[in-house]
Amino acid sequence: DARVTQTPRHKVTEMGQEVTMRCQPILGHNTVFWYRQTMMQGLELLAYFRNRAPLDDSGMPKDRFSAEMPDATLATLKIQPSEPRDSAVYFCASGPQRGVNTGELFFGEGSRLTVL
Amino acid sequence: AQSVTQLDSQVPVFEEAPVELRCNYSSSVSVYLFWYVQYPNQGLQLLLKYLSGSTLVESINGFEAEFNKSQTSFHLRKPSVHISDTAEYFCAVTGGAGKSTFGDGTTLTVKP
Repeated sequence: DARVTQTPRHKVTEMGQEVTMRCQPILGHNTVFWYRQTMMQGLELLAYFRNRAPLDDSGMPKDRFSAEMPDATLATLKIQPSEPRDSAVYFCASGPQRGVNTGELFFGEGSRLTVL
Repeated sequence: AQSVTQLDSQVPVFEEAPVELRCNYSSSVSVYLFWYVQYPNQGLQLLLKYLSGSTLVESINGFEAEFNKSQTSFHLRKPSVHISDTAEYFCAVTGGAGKSTFGDGTTLTVKP
């Protein structure tokens, strides 16, 4: 049963600490997205990769957030230093490309981050 | 640029009643349209999609949505809801760049 796997599922940390979230996309998918979900802002796109290359990270605070794909099986989202306003659920999603990139997405179960 | 508007933030209905969740979009290019469902403490799951062909698309659990190009809408309907349909529903549109834009979500609450 192919699925997107995210770790950790829950993370509680203190302000100023580094946080790294990991995502294993579905094998064969060539697009990876990072979203942040909060009650106030809903779903926000943070970063978008196609074939491991970053295509759009305009939604990401550049001074503290970074997203990478070291290889096709791993995407990472790092926050350094973390702040209380970063508390949210972070979702990774991957998508297949069958000729045309339709944007169909498969989501992981999310990483719930609490920054105290 | 593209945008999605879900017209209702909360929809309460009684079990076995029909429901419609409304979604309008705007885009300067041809689009693909999706509905996703999110159950508590879970990620979003694809419910149904319109890529091309018949404008009426159906899911395996009784939901359907109709693509209306002239009204730029993709409303989600179910003739008879169950308690288990309680969840948040997101409408999404993808344009030429393959990047999805999501609506703010509609919380469907089915009451006994």
